[in-house]
Amino acid sequence: QSVLTQPPSASGTPGQRVTISCSGSSSNIGSNTVNWYQQLPGTAPKLLIYRNNQRPSGVPDRFSGSKSGTSASLAISGLQSEDEADYYCAAWDDSLNGPVFGGGTKLTVL
Amino acid sequence: QVQLQESGPGLVKPSETLSLTCTVSGGSVSSGSYYWSWIRQPPGKGLEWIGYIYYSGSTNYNPSLKSRVTISVDTSKNQFSLKLSSVTAADTAVYYCARDGVRLDPWGQGTLVTVSS
Repeated sequence: QSVLTQPPSASGTPGQRVTISCSGSSSNIGSNTVNWYQQLPGTAPKLLIYRNNQRPSGVPDRFSGSKSGTSASLAISGLQSEDEADYYCAAWDDSLNGPVFGGGTKLTVL
Repeated sequence: QVQLQESGPGLVKPSETLSLTCTVSGGSVSSGSYYWSWIRQPPGKGLEWIGYIYYSGSTNYNPSLKSRVTISVDTSKNQFSLKLSSVTAADTAVYYCARDGVRLDPWGQGTLVTVSS
């Protein structure tokens, strides 16, 4: 049982816009920033979004993040086949004094 | 750019101690700006934070694993290490090392550790 709640799956067709939600509590998302990770099949996770909506160098601007209260969202516009991956949200948890993760969302490009 | 590489046995017997090392290249574990973390992922499942260490040696562990985990740093070798004692089949996972505490970047490629007799 993950501390942050994500839908287990999401899907879209090429070119579409999809969003993935992440729900937490006051001790994590409610008081800290959210990061998103992309895990392509058979590879290690990669930082996709940090501080709610910042993209590391090299991440396309098709990926965007937002946060409101104790929830956050990842949006992917202009969906491409190479976006098929697992996506994880994460936030610092003040009670744990460490990071907590969502259970991951498997994105399928139809 | 900073790169991390995990190393250690891929097979550990039940009740024994899992030991892994993460070698950092292109940067220094002595950098005062970062924590150095261990995360694991059981087959087909999500990510679980194990713990982190600061270059000074201060640590913090996931309470669910705290009684069995030790993370240490060797600044002379630019490495940090994980020891997990009294392992069971439930500890079978891909183990990753990563830079920092929550803004985890970059990650090592991961190493699969199987607990089996």
